[in-house]
Amino acid sequence: KQEVTQIPAALSVPEGENLVLNCSFTDSAIYNLQWFRQDPGKGLTSLLLIQSSQREQTSGRLNASLDKSSGRSTLYIAASQPGDSATYLCAVPYNNNDMRFGAGTRLTVKP
Amino acid sequence: EAGVAQSPRYKIIEKRQSVAFWCNPISGHATLYWYQQILGQGPKLLIQFQNNGVVDDSQLPKDRFSAERLKGVDSTLKIQPAKLEDSAVYLCASSLALQGANVLTFGAGSRLTVL
Repeated sequence: KQEVTQIPAALSVPEGENLVLNCSFTDSAIYNLQWFRQDPGKGLTSLLLIQSSQREQTSGRLNASLDKSSGRSTLYIAASQPGDSATYLCAVPYNNNDMRFGAGTRLTVKP
Repeated sequence: EAGVAQSPRYKIIEKRQSVAFWCNPISGHATLYWYQQILGQGPKLLIQFQNNGVVDDSQLPKDRFSAERLKGVDSTLKIQPAKLEDSAVYLCASSLALQGANVLTFGAGSRLTVL
C-alpha cells in the first residue's frame, strides 16, 4: 500500500529565504510524482511533474527532485515571496486508478 | 482551454439532509475523478470514471454516496443522508486517459459544511 508523508506540516519563513519541502513515499514503483499548490478555498494547481526516469524538474523559482530508490522528493523554492504562501501537496499515481496525496505543507512567507 | 467547472462552490446543510455536486470536466477528457478533502488532509479518491463507466469506487461510502456520469461528460456526486463527518471539500478532476502517467486537472472544489 502506498503511503505519502510530507514534512514539515507547516513552515513559516521570512521573504527572500530559500526553502525545501519534503515528500516521502513507501512504494518506489511509481510512474511519476507531482507537486501541487493549493490556495485557501481553492482547488489544486499542478506545479511540477517528474517522470520516474527523471531526477529533477525546474519551473522558474521552483525545483523538484526525485529519488525513487529512497522514496523521496523535495520541492525547492528559491527567493520566497509572500505570494508563495499556500499549501503544497505531493502525489503519486497508485494502481493506475488513484493518486495518493500527502497531507501537505502549509507555507507562510512573511513580508 | 476552459478548466474543470464545479458547482456549487459552497453548501451548508443540516445532518440527514441531502446535497448534490456537479462537475463539468475539460472537453475531451475521458477520465473523471471525485476526491474528498477533509480539512488538514490530502485529497482522497472517492470514485473514478472512464467515459461513463466506473473504474474504481472502492472508497466510496455507498450507503450514502452516489455518483453518475450518464453521457460520459458531466458528473454528479450526491450525498444522502449527510453526516457531520462529510464536511469537506469535494474536488473534481479530469485527465485525458486512464494511465499511470496521466496528469490531472482539478476544479476549484465544492465546500460542504454539515451542521
